[in-house]
Amino acid sequence: DQQVKQNSPSLSVQEGRISILNCDYTNSMFDYFLWYKKYPAEGPTFLISISSIKDKNEDGRFTVFLNKSAKHLSLHIVPSQPGDSAVYFCAASAKTSGTYKYIFGTGTRLKVLA
Amino acid sequence: DVKVTQSSRYLVKRTGEKVFLECVQDMDHENMFWYRQDPGLGLRLIYFSYDVKMKEKGDIPEGYSVSREKKERFSLILESASTNQTSMYLCASSRHSYGYTFGSGTRLTVV
Repeated sequence: DQQVKQNSPSLSVQEGRISILNCDYTNSMFDYFLWYKKYPAEGPTFLISISSIKDKNEDGRFTVFLNKSAKHLSLHIVPSQPGDSAVYFCAASAKTSGTYKYIFGTGTRLKVLA
Repeated sequence: DVKVTQSSRYLVKRTGEKVFLECVQDMDHENMFWYRQDPGLGLRLIYFSYDVKMKEKGDIPEGYSVSREKKERFSLILESASTNQTSMYLCASSRHSYGYTFGSGTRLTVV
């Protein structure tokens, strides 16, 4: 059973426009969320995080929004750039065994068109 | 900067071979993880370890084992490689509640 879902496998956006990547989760115990970006043949790199006590976190062109009642988070990239073309994974966790163990979504492949 | 190093970028092994994937981190992180990435399935947790000699099963541990004899090193072992274990394997480490730092991945092909 997929606890973290990214229902859009791919997304194409024109350069300069906004990219919105969505993520849904089912476990109400999740209290920390991350977004990672992954280029082909490389490991994922951390992008931005949000804790369940917040509903928004911004870092430059990247903003993550959390709607706890809907169990939904989204990543906004404004403005989108060709270098943003990558696979984006959302991840959610709750503390278990004394540490945070993240469950990842299936990823959304973003293509930013020049 | 935290560095997580996976010993091989690409590996080709034969069915039935015992395969070792090595991962080393240099920032004294307590937690280490092994994931595999497959198209349409995302990243799935195989095993993790929150201390030396401690290990816990993730979501898909079947056919795998792990070893953590030293804090900085976490090894993934495929006891008898099969073609359905062809995948991208990603090692990660973390300190307490922070996010992971991933290695560059090992693309394993089992023929």
